[in-house]
Amino acid sequence: QEKLVESGGGVVQPGGSLRLSCAASGFTFTTYAIHWVRQSPGRGLEWVAFAFYDARKTDVADSVKGRFTVSRDNVGSTVSLQMDGLRVEDAGTYFCVKSRFCLGSVCPALETWGRGTLVSVSS
Amino acid sequence: QSALSQPAAQSASPGESLTLSCSGSNRDIGSFNYVSWFQQHPGEAPRVLIYSTYTRASGVSDRFSGSKSGNTASLTISPLHLTDEAVYYCMSYRDDASYVFGSGTSVSVL
Repeated sequence: QEKLVESGGGVVQPGGSLRLSCAASGFTFTTYAIHWVRQSPGRGLEWVAFAFYDARKTDVADSVKGRFTVSRDNVGSTVSLQMDGLRVEDAGTYFCVKSRFCLGSVCPALETWGRGTLVSVSS
Repeated sequence: QSALSQPAAQSASPGESLTLSCSGSNRDIGSFNYVSWFQQHPGEAPRVLIYSTYTRASGVSDRFSGSKSGNTASLTISPLHLTDEAVYYCMSYRDDASYVFGSGTSVSVL
């Protein structure tokens, strides 16, 4: 059974940092791309970041560029999201999502979702 | 403001057909067949229903179908069941290599 488990969420002050982790199991981790998607009441669902199956390509949304970094460890079957310079608008539930397939560098089928980890940014 | 436009709410009766719309642009829906639809019940993570615009995800009922015309994608649910009451989101790949979501449509089954 495919499973993604997020961790690392918490409460942080504006300008602070958090590192989210996504632990994968139940599938061949090295052959699938992983996305991070966040959800907040005010901003709905928002794509945040993506790591290709071999990590040779990663990308983040313009809204977090320069502040967030995505990386993956194919030995440990984990994907991490380093979040620096956090802002109030970054608050929400962060989901780790497996893409069913990729066509070139496009990995559009967000198939398996974790349960999410909650990030709160408040002074 | 979300990049894709969806009606905030729609309703129909059990057994009826319901079509949800998702309006984008020629930077996303109009140029790529990479539209996905997700269903989300309260307190749960989203669940994929449709990907690549037309393809039903594994285990998804054939009551759900996806389509596209120009810059607008659609999800049809037919016939509607009480358990279909949820929020439905669309998503598309965009020409700047990002992925954009709609704001979601809350479906009520009366």
